Order: sequence, then structure tokens, then C-alpha cells
Amino acid sequence: DTAVSQTPKYLVTQMGNDKSIKCEQNLGHDTMYWYKQDSKKFLKIMFSYNNKELIINETVPNRFSPKSPDKAHLNLHINSLELGDSAVYFCASSQDGGGTEAFFGQGTRLTVV
Amino acid sequence: AQKVTQAQTEISVVEKEDVTLDCVYETRDTTYYLFWYKQPPSGELVFLIRRNSFDEQNEISGRYSWNFQKSTSSFNFTITASQVVDSAVYFCALMNSNSGYALNFGKGTSLLVTP
Repeated sequence: DTAVSQTPKYLVTQMGNDKSIKCEQNLGHDTMYWYKQDSKKFLKIMFSYNNKELIINETVPNRFSPKSPDKAHLNLHINSLELGDSAVYFCASSQDGGGTEAFFGQGTRLTVV
Repeated sequence: AQKVTQAQTEISVVEKEDVTLDCVYETRDTTYYLFWYKQPPSGELVFLIRRNSFDEQNEISGRYSWNFQKSTSSFNFTITASQVVDSAVYFCALMNSNSGYALNFGKGTSLLVTP
């Protein structure tokens, strides 16, 4: 039983395309996140949602739009993909977003060609 | 400003050696949380430990131990009798209200354990 699952695991696409990454958690957690890991393995927060409400929106191009249809899902849609968007994107969830540990999905490796 | 520094970029040890991964953090908050995560070569991020700022008690879990010292703003991680399966990138992270309770990660330490 996967606690936090992301699909797809790998995504190769051309510049200019629009793509989505889906994330679901079955832990009953209130808070979900998207993190980006660059080629140097640096992890940085992009967005967080608590009970479907946007809490954090870091300095991310507005081509990136998160969507939370319900508490268990947080999808990431990316418009007009650029080469620099190539990275590993991790979804995560935590119980209440107030200092509890976050559990991560397996990551989505996005390659823009 | 909030910052997590993992000064060791790469460490290489021989199996059965003990190894300590350093983590130094900066925050002005009195309430904060510290974490360690492991990222093995398969790529997933695995939660190892969480500590809040009011609990300086050190923790041991099997071959893993953590030393939290507020006086030096450090939260170091020691692996005793390292094994090849410990080879991974280890991330230290800080979380508090200033970060919106998102993890603020250090740059990671890549540990290679050779037989």
C-alpha cells in the first residue's frame, strides 16, 4: 500500500508542451507539498496546500499551477515547458503541516528536450 | 534568515567504520523542527528522524544516533558500523512557522560505503 503515490515516474516531453503530474496520499493527512530537486540534488519547496487551501507559493514561474481537488490529491500542471524545468519533482504530505514529518512520493523525473 | 548547512559534500568510508554527518542550522525562531532524510540511489526520500527545538535529548535507533545541540545549532547524525546499504545522500532539514512549515533542506551529504 503506497502512502504517497505520484504518476508518472518518468516524463519526457518536448519544449513548449503542457504536462501534469498527479499525486495522491492515503494517509489521511491535511497538508500536501510539491518540492523540486535539481540536477545538483538541491531540494526546494514549490507549493503547499492545507485542506485544499494554498499555503505556500514560492517564487515559481506562473507556468506551474497546483490543483487540489480534495484533501488527498495535489496535482501539478506545467504549461509551456522549458529546458530548465527538467528536474525531479516530489510530492509529499504531512499530518497537519505544523511541524510533523513529511512523507514523500517516489518522485517524477521530468526531462524536457 | 533560515539556513541549513551540510558542509560535507561527499564522504567515503569502508564498511564497519563509524561516520558522522554534520548539520548546522540558523533560525531566529525559538520553536522549530529538525529532520534527517535519506535518499538512496533508487531516488526516494525516506524520513529518518524529527526533533523539536525543546527536546535536546539525543536519540539512538539501532546503528543510527543523533546529537542535537542548541548551543552550537547543530544536529549531527552518526552511523555506527556502517554498511554498504547505508550508501545514500542524507539531507538535514529545518521547519518552522517562518517557512510555512515546509522543509528547508541542506544541500545534502553523499555517503559512500565500500566493502
